[in-house]
Amino acid sequence: NAGVTQTPKFQVLKTGQSMTLQCAQDMNHEYMSWYRQDPGMGLRLIHYSVGAGITDQGEVPNGYNVSRSTTEDFPLRLLSAAPSQTSVYFCASSYYPNPTYEQYFGPGTRLTVT
Amino acid sequence: AQKVTQAQTEISVVEKEDVTLDCVYETRDTTYYLFWYKQPPSGELVFLIRRNSFDEQNEISGRYSWNFQKSTSSFNFTITASQVVDSAVYFCGSTEVLVGDMRFGAGTRLTVKP
Repeated sequence: NAGVTQTPKFQVLKTGQSMTLQCAQDMNHEYMSWYRQDPGMGLRLIHYSVGAGITDQGEVPNGYNVSRSTTEDFPLRLLSAAPSQTSVYFCASSYYPNPTYEQYFGPGTRLTVT
Repeated sequence: AQKVTQAQTEISVVEKEDVTLDCVYETRDTTYYLFWYKQPPSGELVFLIRRNSFDEQNEISGRYSWNFQKSTSSFNFTITASQVVDSAVYFCGSTEVLVGDMRFGAGTRLTVKP
């Protein structure tokens, strides 16, 4: 099993550009989530999904969209990148349709917006 | 909404010292789960422990131990006889059973010097 994979590993965007961060898991996990990690702020939940076709907002959803058309994939879209979205983004998944069990994290995507 | 506070931003110890990382949580639910994750310098996030709100027993795993006290809303993590390999950022997190939202603290950066 590859676990949770994220692409790309690094990305530089200009302000106003859009892009999609990819996340996939091959563990048949119901729950998937996106976090951003910023210095001094810890991990903050952006969006999450408890199953295919179901998504919800987390703590910091503004500027991001998600969809969950399959169990395996949970892409994160930045609609119009801003410097404040410079961060490290982690995708995670969990077997049960909620995060009350261990989450498995991807390796992260480091995004810089200039 | 739930909230997790890790008041210690950085801790530095010398190898073989014991060190305790503090975690204070806030929740309105009576059923919740608490977690600790480790992020070594390589950047990945590694699950350490999960505890539910009905289990106040302390847990010991090798040099690691966790002290859960509902009376003080704390879930502290102690490393006994610290080693250089324990150097990492440690995150405490919480989630309530009926929601898909998970919150983490800002993290504590532990440096263990030889």
